[in-house]
Amino acid sequence: AQSVTQPDIHITVSEGASLELRCNYSYGATPYLFWYVQSPGQGLQLLLKYFSGDTLVQGIKGFEAEFKRSQSSFNLRKPSVHWSDAAEYFCAVAPSSARQLTFGSGTQLTVLP
Amino acid sequence: NAGVTQTPKFRVLKTGQSMTLLCAQDMNHEYMYWYRQDPGMGLRLIHYSVGEGTTAKGEVPDGYNVSRLKKQNFLLGLESAAPSQTSVYFCASSYRNSLYGYTFGSGTRLTVV
Repeated sequence: AQSVTQPDIHITVSEGASLELRCNYSYGATPYLFWYVQSPGQGLQLLLKYFSGDTLVQGIKGFEAEFKRSQSSFNLRKPSVHWSDAAEYFCAVAPSSARQLTFGSGTQLTVLP
Repeated sequence: NAGVTQTPKFRVLKTGQSMTLLCAQDMNHEYMYWYRQDPGMGLRLIHYSVGEGTTAKGEVPDGYNVSRLKKQNFLLGLESAAPSQTSVYFCASSYRNSLYGYTFGSGTRLTVV
């Protein structure tokens, strides 16, 4: 069965600084990978997804993620963080059947002024 | 355009009581899902449906039942609530499968005392 690990429970960055959130997956075949964001009191919103092809994918709100097969990673990045990016971020993986997603435990992002 | 609507938003139950959570989507999505979110554990899949009249078990189905009698509605039932079912419940839907991305509801916060 597939699994997703987000090793950082909580990350704090200053506004304007760069950001990288880590995600490692375990899956035998080529996975389908996703990043979602959850603002307080809200449901999750899709930031970006990777299926195949170019290993660097662009998403909404200025986020990007890079798929590295050799490291089984799909890290999320943003060059300059805004205060409105404070939220919880979830990495997710889907099996080849794509019937459902398995989510990581999430990384809480705090942005300092 | 309402998207995914969950009712109720908050509920307090006594141990042993029953209740039904309603999820309604107006996007003509085929797939629907129920997840629970607990601190430090991310989202865990309870049940899902790949079309009207179908349901399937997810990762943590015990103590829950579901029905998908109409394409737009997905009901989650708790027959005899237990304190371990205290959680935030999210419904999500997707067009065909998870690769299209989920649209989430805003959640139901359930407390069982």
